[in-house]
Amino acid sequence: NAGVTQTPKFRVLKTGQSMTLLCAQDMNHEYMYWYRQDPGMGLRLIHYSVGEGTTAKGEVPDGYNVSRLKKQNFLLGLESAAPSQTSVYFCASSPLRAHSNQPQHFGDGTRLSIL
Amino acid sequence: GQQLNQSPQSMFIQEGEDVSMNCTSSSIFNTWLWYKQDPGEGPVLLIALYKAGELTSNGRLTAQFGTTRKDSFLNISASIPSDVGIYFCAGQKYAGGTSYGKLTFGQGTILTVHP
Repeated sequence: NAGVTQTPKFRVLKTGQSMTLLCAQDMNHEYMYWYRQDPGMGLRLIHYSVGEGTTAKGEVPDGYNVSRLKKQNFLLGLESAAPSQTSVYFCASSPLRAHSNQPQHFGDGTRLSIL
Repeated sequence: GQQLNQSPQSMFIQEGEDVSMNCTSSSIFNTWLWYKQDPGEGPVLLIALYKAGELTSNGRLTAQFGTTRKDSFLNISASIPSDVGIYFCAGQKYAGGTSYGKLTFGQGTILTVHP
């Protein structure tokens, strides 16, 4: 079972470049999330989506944009990459109801370095 | 943004020892979750707690939802080398509407087990 798949797994960018991180889930989950993980800070929510065509800001949304054109995909975009965006990015998804055995499934992450 | 205070930040123990870690918050959560992250992978759910006072086990792992709903505890008994990793607590609120399902993470506890 694929679960949550993130691409690419690694990427190095120069300051000012743009790129899109892809997240796909095959569990028919309604909710999808993008987090960033930095040393000593746990995971912080960037943006999230409660359904196809809807997105909302999380805790640290500045410098990022997202789109949820299809239920199974959630895209995270960096329009003009900055060194402060060097991080590990995780995508997650969860079913409509929180009361399930596994409320959020995570991908394996995308390691992004901005030079 | 809101944060959970997770302690200790790191632990170095001998194989066979028991481990305890906890998470506290200044506000109430409806759900407490404990995740484990292995190097190069995304967090994997260990235990989910849905009711104040709830005590739940998963093999050698036991977690409790604090009665004040502002804290949670995770215990690992008879540790083994494969317990090595980063353990995260996460709190979830049912705010309704588009806030439904969002997680707030602790900073993580890095566990090292010496054989």
